[in-house]
Amino acid sequence: NAGVTQTPKFQVLKTGQSMTLQCAQDMNHEYMSWYRQDPGMGLRLIHYSVGAGITDQGEVPNGYNVSRSTTEDFPLRLLSAAPSQTSVYFCASSYNPTSYNEQFFGPGTRLTVL
Amino acid sequence: KNEVEQSPQNLTAQEGEFITINCSYSVGISALHWLQQHPGGGIVSLFMLSSGKKKHGRLIATINIQEKHSSLHITASHPRDSAVYICAVSAAHNTDKLIFGTGTRLQVFP
Repeated sequence: NAGVTQTPKFQVLKTGQSMTLQCAQDMNHEYMSWYRQDPGMGLRLIHYSVGAGITDQGEVPNGYNVSRSTTEDFPLRLLSAAPSQTSVYFCASSYNPTSYNEQFFGPGTRLTVL
Repeated sequence: KNEVEQSPQNLTAQEGEFITINCSYSVGISALHWLQQHPGGGIVSLFMLSSGKKKHGRLIATINIQEKHSSLHITASHPRDSAVYICAVSAAHNTDKLIFGTGTRLQVFP
């Protein structure tokens, strides 16, 4: 199993550009989530999904969009990038659709918005 | 005040020392997670526990539900243990989401 994969690993955007961060898992996990990690702060939940076709907002959803058309994929879209979105982004998954479960994290995407 | 607090924020140790990292939380929980983030950035799950104690190799995690406190211990520390250790809780009132502490940065010197 590849586990949780994320692409790209690094990205530089200009303010106003849009892009999609890809996340995929091959473990048939129901629960997938996106976090951002900023210096001095804990991981913060952006959006999450408890199964295909179901998504919900986390703590910091503004400026981001998600969809979950398949169990395997959970892309994160930045609609119009802003410097405040400069961060490291992690995708995570777990078998059952609750956080009361071992979490598997992707390697992260380091995004810089100029 | 954060719902999950870790101490210390930074910790340095000599190889072989016994290390303790603490996590306190203010919400009712279903489970508590300890995660490890290496300098390369990857995050791995070390433990998930809801009571008592768990051990894996040189790592031991304990939790006291009444006191809302957990500790992560590393015995016979080694430079390869250098990482950020993150505590996260699955809140009882909303198990859809994890609440994270800000992490403890550990450096172990030879």
